[in-house]
Amino acid sequence: AQKITQTQPGMFVQEKEAVTLDCTYDTSDPSYGLFWYKQPSSGEMIFLIYQGSYDQQNATEGRYSLNFQKARKSANLVISASQLGDSAMYFCAMREAPQGGKLIFGQGTELSVKP
Amino acid sequence: EPEVTQTPSHQVTQMGQEVILRCVPISNHLYFYWYRQILGQKVEFLVSFYNNEISEKSEIFDDQFSVERPDGSNFTLKIRSTKLEDSAMYFCASSEGRASGSTDTQYFGPGTRLTVL
Repeated sequence: AQKITQTQPGMFVQEKEAVTLDCTYDTSDPSYGLFWYKQPSSGEMIFLIYQGSYDQQNATEGRYSLNFQKARKSANLVISASQLGDSAMYFCAMREAPQGGKLIFGQGTELSVKP
Repeated sequence: EPEVTQTPSHQVTQMGQEVILRCVPISNHLYFYWYRQILGQKVEFLVSFYNNEISEKSEIFDDQFSVERPDGSNFTLKIRSTKLEDSAMYFCASSEGRASGSTDTQYFGPGTRLTVL
């Protein structure tokens, strides 16, 4: 069974609009962390935002926020005020161990921002 | 800002040859990782390393692969007798691995693109 599911292979958004990238996860571990990474066409993996399973508040980091719905096991990334430079592949990932554990990645969503 | 570095950025090798991919993790980090990404696919975990030994490895990480921390700064992935299917982007990552309450975020290097001919 897939541990991390990203159901949107590709998304388009108009510049300056907000966009939500979906991520659902599956774990029976009560302690886990959820991460979003951005991979531009140059190939590097850039950390964007983190949400811990015990965090009461949704994580925010500048224009990025994470819509964490624990009961639904979803951790959607919201990008506000999209910019052309946001065009990239976005990966959701989960770590089940408290620290030092491997990241399990989803298939990714390719976001294209239109001018 | 500290970052993970990897060399080389590109490596082309013949099938059956050995390659060594090099990484310099962030200096105060305790956990090191290797991942790979076959073109167009998701990122897959290979191995994690802590306190000079492997802490976890995936099914992909078979006897063909080995990791080493030869000195205080480098972390290497060796692939013996490369196969065509080893062609991929290989990412090194590191994390602090310290006390609870830390996010223990894994920071990735820029990757080494390995092409096996």
